[in-house]
Amino acid sequence: EAGVAQSPRYKIIEKRQSVAFWCNPISGHATLYWYQQILGQGPKLLIQFQNNGVVDDSQLPKDRFSAERLKGVDSTLKIQPAKLEDSAVYLCASSLDRVGRNSGANVLTFGAGSRLTVL
Amino acid sequence: QKEVEQNSGPLSVPEGAIASLNCTYSDRGSQSFFWYRQYSGKSPELIMFIYSNGDKEDGRFTAQLNKASQYVSLLIRDSQPSDSATYLCAVYGAGSYQLTFGKGTKLSVIP
Repeated sequence: EAGVAQSPRYKIIEKRQSVAFWCNPISGHATLYWYQQILGQGPKLLIQFQNNGVVDDSQLPKDRFSAERLKGVDSTLKIQPAKLEDSAVYLCASSLDRVGRNSGANVLTFGAGSRLTVL
Repeated sequence: QKEVEQNSGPLSVPEGAIASLNCTYSDRGSQSFFWYRQYSGKSPELIMFIYSNGDKEDGRFTAQLNKASQYVSLLIRDSQPSDSATYLCAVYGAGSYQLTFGKGTKLSVIP
């Protein structure tokens, strides 16, 4: 099966500019996640979708970050305006269902990530 | 804020030895526990998951869970240089839809 697709792989912008990242999850996966991974740290969940509804966006800086999942498939994460501290890898992941339902291996599969550098 | 703690390392072991990676978590009601491996510049990939107390073995990997002590570990037997990577512990907490990751432990297997 095809994996999680992300684009662009790399993006360099100046502070206060805007950027958008795109993610196409594994076909049939209902749950989609956006994680931010700063160098030397573990991934931090920004937002989680179940189909096209938001399940958790408690750690999303909503004054500058936005995300949507159109028709329950593709998703876009936008940052506007960007700050220096937004430099990170943005990881998209998907799973068949929400993690935690012990019905089997509802595990996250990650895309290759989008590396953002804010100058 | 639910926390997942890992020793950042680096942990260095000789080739063929057993590598032991440890993780503690703060949410006593946590239900599901995952180990991911992340090579430098790559995205995390699942090694294994564990839900119940005790040991779970998959090839050279063994996950151990002790919910009373809020502790989960990963043992890698017969460590190989290709096992050199950062190992991320992730925990799904009670009443939360959020999978929380630790900062990861960097493992170096010395030939």
